[in-house]
Amino acid sequence: GDKVKQSPSALSLQEGTNSALRCNFSIAATTVQWFLQNPRGSLINLFYLVPGTKENGRLKSTFNSKESYSTLHIRDAQLEDSGTYFCAAEAASGSWQLIFGSGTQLTVMP
Amino acid sequence: NAGVIQTPRHKVTGKGQEATLWCEPISGHSAVFWYRQTIVQGLEFLTYFRNQAPIDDSGMPKERFSAQMPNQSHSTLKIQSTQPQDSAVYLCASSLDGSQNTLYFGAGTRLSVL
Repeated sequence: GDKVKQSPSALSLQEGTNSALRCNFSIAATTVQWFLQNPRGSLINLFYLVPGTKENGRLKSTFNSKESYSTLHIRDAQLEDSGTYFCAAEAASGSWQLIFGSGTQLTVMP
Repeated sequence: NAGVIQTPRHKVTGKGQEATLWCEPISGHSAVFWYRQTIVQGLEFLTYFRNQAPIDDSGMPKERFSAQMPNQSHSTLKIQSTQPQDSAVYLCASSLDGSQNTLYFGAGTRLSVL
């Protein structure tokens, strides 16, 4: 089964609204990274997380290693937030393989 | 800082031809990763170099695929005798020091095998 499961797979938001994306892990993740793949295909790193919470502008992400999940909150969604969001987990300390989820395709509508 | 640079952006090959993909990591980064992205399989790890040495190629198909890092400023992924199932976006990424570091991706090379 999926080691990193993302939900929802797709999401449409009105501009200015809030939402949350989630990743559940069936592996013992030690760190998590969140990426946005823009319409041009570039993967942009949003967050690198050890257990805890980080915030950057309208984005906030939490990684709870004990309960094996991570969330990405988007506040006041803007058109430029559209794209596919991926979470990726590092499976063990000292590992180098990131295991990616299948992504959440977000569309922000005016 | 130009970020991770991948060339070419698009490559079209005929079945059975060879394809070489190039990656220039961010200056000062010691770790380079190759991933492959398809609609069906998503993002898959291929191989990893640290300080130019191959560390893990467990994701590489055993035949026809090879990767090298001859110097700290570039890595190549070579696919011999390309097949239609090799069609994908090949992504290169670098990080400061391997594990537990933020990964920075290039824009990718879209390979189409006809």
